[in-house]
Amino acid sequence: DAGITQSPRHKVTETGTPVTLRCHQTENHRYMYWYRQDPGHGLRLIHYSYGVKDTDKGEVSDGYSVSRSKTEDFLLTLESATSSQTSVYFCAISGTSAKAYEQYFGPGTRLTVT
Amino acid sequence: GEDVEQSLFLSVREGDSSVINCTYTDSSSTYLYWYKQEPGAGLQLLTYIFSNMDMKQDQRLTVLLNKKDKHLSLRIADTQTGDSAIYFCATLKGAGSYQLTFGKGTKLSVIP
Repeated sequence: DAGITQSPRHKVTETGTPVTLRCHQTENHRYMYWYRQDPGHGLRLIHYSYGVKDTDKGEVSDGYSVSRSKTEDFLLTLESATSSQTSVYFCAISGTSAKAYEQYFGPGTRLTVT
Repeated sequence: GEDVEQSLFLSVREGDSSVINCTYTDSSSTYLYWYKQEPGAGLQLLTYIFSNMDMKQDQRLTVLLNKKDKHLSLRIADTQTGDSAIYFCATLKGAGSYQLTFGKGTKLSVIP
């Protein structure tokens, strides 16, 4: 257990509503990531953060925004959820120097958009 | 083709060795990883290897890297029913990048 929690763990929402997923870490790690996992696609990076207020886009960032106001929290927001965003969302963290290349994953959030 | 490719399924008998294979396209990959995912859970980092190494052993796990052929394998010795899971291969690009590229995963089924 790498000290990562995600909330909520399950959510059902309607098309067009905003949704925010939270990732919280207790490791004081610098880097945080949001991935989505879909059948037939493996995991794909949505956004990542390399420090407070420092974020960048990943492979599938359209329709998502992120914010990081504290080291321990990384928020993923779907401004207007669509059915194509039904997925399992994973947060990951990695540290600095020798540990920068080890990414540890949270338990995931299953999001269903109806 | 896909950046990271794995076969989708593997079935082995308990006590045998399992070998899960992965091929990748990016020759600048610096680190290569194996993750394990059990049903309903997140991904667990099993092991990883730096690109200047050929082999890494960690208890029952052996990772082999053939950089020339861009081929990575994970051998699990004395496979147990608890090893049943999906195994993901992932690669990391060159220095300064922390973005992992994942394969679609290999589902390992262990027959008692």
